[in-house]
Amino acid sequence: RKEVEQDPGPFNVPEGATVAFNCTYSNSASQSFFWYRQDCRKEPKLLMSVYSSGNEDGRFTAQLNRASQYISLLIRDSKLSDSATYLCVVNSPQDSSYKLIFGSGTRLLVRP
Amino acid sequence: ETGVTQTPRHLVMGMTNKKSLKCEQHLGHNAMYWYKQSAKKPLELMFVYSLEERVENNSVPSRFSPECPNSSHLFLHLHTLQPEDSALYLCASSQDPRQGGSVFSEAFFGQGTRLTVV
Repeated sequence: RKEVEQDPGPFNVPEGATVAFNCTYSNSASQSFFWYRQDCRKEPKLLMSVYSSGNEDGRFTAQLNRASQYISLLIRDSKLSDSATYLCVVNSPQDSSYKLIFGSGTRLLVRP
Repeated sequence: ETGVTQTPRHLVMGMTNKKSLKCEQHLGHNAMYWYKQSAKKPLELMFVYSLEERVENNSVPSRFSPECPNSSHLFLHLHTLQPEDSALYLCASSQDPRQGGSVFSEAFFGQGTRLTVV
């Protein structure tokens, strides 16, 4: 089983739509959770951290369910500029290192 | 000045060449990473350095040799690469929570080096 699993998509939605991405992780000891965004041929950039109680940043809402080892990202009122690949990221606790494991990403296409 | 800078941005090399990728971070972080991203594939973690010590090598072939002379600089030395090594190589840095960072210590990426092996 992969450490971080995401639906690869693509999700093809019209402008203004609400879209949700899901992610599951395998290590119950993980403590840090993030969503990154990656545009084509560019480096990943942090979109938002995911807190235990859930958190919102404008049109973006992230949720964490530790019992099910599940993370979600909800995008409301989609814009054309939201088209990108969204990466679920989880830390993999180790004694010797702090490392972030990236999911394979979910591709979002927002059409006019 | 960007937080994490990688050079060169693009590199074409032959299979018998030796080259080095450079990464520099200006964020005061104490952990640095090399990731590989092949076309249409997810990010693969290659190496992790924490406090200038290599703490992880994810079964990377010896033709890739990392070097971390100090907490701000990271190199990836390349020799006798294969065409399948062509990819985007990304450097990242973060603050290791075990050394004073927050548990929400995200990674910041450089713009990457797009490597083509011919």
